[in-house]
Amino acid sequence: QKEVEQNSGPLSVPEGAIASLNCTYSDRGSQSFFWYRQYSGKSPELIMFIYSNGDKEDGRFTAQLNKASQYVSLLIRDSQPSDSATYLCAVWGGSNYKLTFGKGTLLTVNP
Amino acid sequence: EAGVAQSPRYKIIEKRQSVAFWCNPISGHATLYWYQQILGQGPKLLIQFQNNGVVDDSQLPKDRFSAERLKGVDSTLKIQPAKLEDSAVYLCASSLDHISNTNTGELFFGEGSRLTVL
Repeated sequence: QKEVEQNSGPLSVPEGAIASLNCTYSDRGSQSFFWYRQYSGKSPELIMFIYSNGDKEDGRFTAQLNKASQYVSLLIRDSQPSDSATYLCAVWGGSNYKLTFGKGTLLTVNP
Repeated sequence: EAGVAQSPRYKIIEKRQSVAFWCNPISGHATLYWYQQILGQGPKLLIQFQNNGVVDDSQLPKDRFSAERLKGVDSTLKIQPAKLEDSAVYLCASSLDHISNTNTGELFFGEGSRLTVL
């Protein structure tokens, strides 16, 4: 089982719709969970992090964490073409405090 | 505040040649990471330093890759000899500390060094 798995994508949504990105992780000792956005040819940039069960909202973005199910998600409301990018789920902590990334999900928002 | 600096941005070499990448982390950041990102994949941790000590190098191909952070500040990653499958972007990142209640794991990435091996 891979340490961090994301829905394979690519995901395509119309402008103004809600985009839903999902991630599962294998290490129950993981402590913090991150969503990074990576535009083509650029480095990852942090969008949000969450470490408590439940929802965390920041503008159009909502991160959801369910530690019992080992599941993290990111919702993007009112999606914009500028949101088109690869979204990387990353999990921190566990046995040796390292940040492990998933493969990423490519999101395309169509005007 | 200056970000993570990396050089060179781009490098093209032939297989079996050697290459070195340099990284200068954000001032005051104790932890430095080198990630390898192959096209279409997520970043894979190669090595993690805490000050000038190695915390994790379990995924570093030690027969050809080496990295050092001698004075606990900047770092170099070397590949010798390079293989075709080493073509990737090498990302350096830093964070405040890896063992700290104040560190939630947020990493700050440099712009990356893109390596093409022909």
